[in-house]
This record gives sequence, structure tokens and C-alpha cells, in this order.
Amino acid sequence: EAGVAQSPRYKIIEKRQSVAFWCNPISGHATLYWYQQILGQGPKLLIQFQNNGVVDDSQLPKDRFSAERLKGVDSTLKIQPAKLEDSAVYLCASSTLRGGGDTQYFGPGTRLTVL
Amino acid sequence: GESVGLHLPTLSVQEGDNSIINCAYSNSASDYFIWYKQESGKGPQFIIDIRSNMDKRQGQRVTVLLNKTVKHLSLQIAATQPGDSAVYFCAETYGGSQGNLIFGKGTKLSVKP
Repeated sequence: EAGVAQSPRYKIIEKRQSVAFWCNPISGHATLYWYQQILGQGPKLLIQFQNNGVVDDSQLPKDRFSAERLKGVDSTLKIQPAKLEDSAVYLCASSTLRGGGDTQYFGPGTRLTVL
Repeated sequence: GESVGLHLPTLSVQEGDNSIINCAYSNSASDYFIWYKQESGKGPQFIIDIRSNMDKRQGQRVTVLLNKTVKHLSLQIAATQPGDSAVYFCAETYGGSQGNLIFGKGTKLSVKP
């Protein structure tokens, strides 16, 4: 079974530029998550989708971050404009989450460096 | 605020020894706990989980212990191998869903040959 795919693996941009990350979850997984992991810290949830609907985006900085999962499969996370403090690894995870919770499987992440 | 924390940022053990990684949590409402392993350049990998109605759960070479009285979680790795070298995170959820995972900062485990 293929795991969670993410691209690109690395991205370097200057502050105030825009950037987008792509995630393809495990086939059949209804729930998709985006996390931000700052160096030396644990991942922090940004947004959770159930199919193509948003379940939780309470920690998403909505003035600059946006995410979509239009067809309930792939997802894109965008930052516009980027700030220095956005330098981090952006992790995508997916789970089946059938009534009661299920294991979250993580992708390899996209390492973003903002100069 | 409520968060998951770890007692030791680094742990160094000899190959073949047992490892114990500790975690303290502060949210008494948390009802599900998970341990993840993260190798350099990779995403977190699920190791083992435990629900709040249990105090011990065993997997292959790993055991998780939950002490709700003192809000403490530990991961025991038997016969630690070089491949176990990684950063280990505990995470907690509340409300019966894995959606609201709150991660601690992590413990780096180094295995000496």
C-alpha cells in the first residue's frame, strides 16, 4: 500500500513570496490533516478535513494560510505572503477515522525555508 | 495552556539495553495517547497507542505505561537497536478523536553500538 505522498520535499523562498504544498493521502482515507513542525518541536495541527469539508481550522493563520481539498482526495496548502517564522516542515497525514478515531499516517513532509 | 511535555530532551543508551522514554501530560480530559517515532527527514511513524481505560499495553519490543494519577506516560523499548535511534514524541487527544492530536517536543534517542 502506498503511503502519504507530499511534494515538493524542499522549498526555499524569500519573505513575502507565495508557496504551495501538495498532499496525496492514502487511498480510501477520508480524513486529511496538515501539520506544521518547527525545528525541535512536535507537529502542530493546522487544519483537518473530513472528505472535502473542514473539521477543524482553529489553529490555521487564516490571514496568510489557506488549504483546500476540493474533490475529497488531494489537498493543497498555501502560504501567501510567507514570513520568516513560517520556516518549518509541513506534514500531511491521513486516516480512515471511522467513528472513534484511527491511526494517522504521516507523509515525509515539505521542508520550507523562508529567507 | 494545556500541553504535552517530555522530561528528557535526549537519551543515550547502549545497544541491547532497555530504553525508557517519559512523558508528562497536563490535560486530565485526554483519553487517548500515542507514541510516534520520527527519523531524520521523515514524517512521524506510529508506534503504539493506549486509551485512558488501560494502564499498560504491549507491542513488539515496546510497552506503553499510563499512570493517570500522576498524568505520566512512558514508552519502554526492549533490547534497543541502532535502528531505534530517532526522536520520539508522545501525543494526546481528547474527545475520543484522533483529530486533535497535541504533540510534545520530543526525546532524541541515541543508541551506542
